[in-house]
Amino acid sequence: QSVLTQPPSASGTPGQRVTISCSGSNSNIGSNSVNWYQQLPGTAPKLLIHTNNQRPSGVPDRFSGSKSATSASLAISGLQSEDEADYYCAAWDGSLHNWVFGGGTKLTVL
Amino acid sequence: QVHLVESGGGVVQPGGSLRLSCAASGFAFSSYGMHWVRQAPGKGLEWVTSIEYDGSNTYYADSVKGRFSISRDDSKNTVYVDVNSLRPEDTAVYYCANEKHSSGRYVGYFDFWGQGTLVTVSS
Repeated sequence: QSVLTQPPSASGTPGQRVTISCSGSNSNIGSNSVNWYQQLPGTAPKLLIHTNNQRPSGVPDRFSGSKSATSASLAISGLQSEDEADYYCAAWDGSLHNWVFGGGTKLTVL
Repeated sequence: QVHLVESGGGVVQPGGSLRLSCAASGFAFSSYGMHWVRQAPGKGLEWVTSIEYDGSNTYYADSVKGRFSISRDDSKNTVYVDVNSLRPEDTAVYYCANEKHSSGRYVGYFDFWGQGTLVTVSS
């Protein structure tokens, strides 16, 4: 059972916009920044969004992040086949003194 | 270009030990905190352990506390984790990742990840 809660799966067709939610609590998302990582099949995770809504250099602006209270969301617009991957949210938990991750959402491009 | 290369994984019997290494290049290693995150087969990511940029403090998940020990050698740009008293549930790919420390604080995210090293605990 992950500390952060994500839907196990999401899907969309090419060109669509999809969102992935991440729910936490006051001790993690409620008081710290949220980061998102993308894990393409068979590869290591890669930083996708940091500090709630900041894109590292090289990440397309089709990817965006937002945070409100104890929840966060990742939005992907103009969905492409290469976006098919697992997506994880993460945050520091001040009560656990741990980094915590969501269980991951497997995105399928139909 | 940033590179993190893990090594040291393998097959080990329950109760056994391994030393995992993560060799870093392409960034100012001594200015970065370092982390290990693991992923059991078909499962999600789990933070395991971290070490401060200056080695002053180390942190562990409850699941590995007392069994794992993280260290760093800045002269070799390498971070290690000694994994002891291994259990079948420790079977996972172990990734190292970096986090920049600047102006007295960490940036708050894992910037780059290595490709991982697989640890299999089985009799």
